[in-house]
Amino acid sequence: DAGVIQSPRHEVTEMGQEVTLRCKPISGHNSLFWYRQTMMRGLELLIYFNNNVPIDDSGMPEDRFSAKMPNASFSTLKIQPSEPRDSAVYFCASRTGGPWSEQYFGPGTRLTVT
Amino acid sequence: TQLLEQSPQFLSIQEGENLTVYCNSSSVFSSLQWYRQEPGEGPVLLVTVVTGGEVKKLKRLTFQFGDARKDSSLHITAAQPGDTGLYLCAGANGAGSYQLTFGKGTKLSVIP
Repeated sequence: DAGVIQSPRHEVTEMGQEVTLRCKPISGHNSLFWYRQTMMRGLELLIYFNNNVPIDDSGMPEDRFSAKMPNASFSTLKIQPSEPRDSAVYFCASRTGGPWSEQYFGPGTRLTVT
Repeated sequence: TQLLEQSPQFLSIQEGENLTVYCNSSSVFSSLQWYRQEPGEGPVLLVTVVTGGEVKKLKRLTFQFGDARKDSSLHITAAQPGDTGLYLCAGANGAGSYQLTFGKGTKLSVIP
């Protein structure tokens, strides 16, 4: 199993540009999560999907952020327009729906907005 | 808002020493997980504890969940350079709960 796959691994963009981060969850996992990690705030949950449906997006910082999951094997997180304070490492994670099931994290995308 | 405070924030020790890191909250969690994260990678689950007072051992690592399910500790015996990383605790409410509250982590460096 390849694990959770994220692309790109690194993204450097200028303020105001659109950024799209991509995630392929582990096959058979029906829950997908997007997190953001910074030194100041640690690891924060942005949005959670179950069976491709967004369940809780209360962690999305503002309307500039949007996430989609068009099918069970693909999700995107988009930032438009990007700002320097969006610089962080963005992680995607997936899990099965069983009790106490483990979340498997991808390697993350390091985003730098200049 | 449930918060998890981890201490110490940074820890640098010599190979072979023992250490304990802590995860504390004023809130009760139904389960608590410990993750280790290495540079450039995502967190990897080490253990899940679900019962107050529970102790779990994973080789040289011993995890304990407080009786009141508000705190946890991770003890490493005879630390090795391979133990270097960021240790994160995360609390959840309910067996099926998706929402994990993460602490900011303890960054451990084990010097050969």
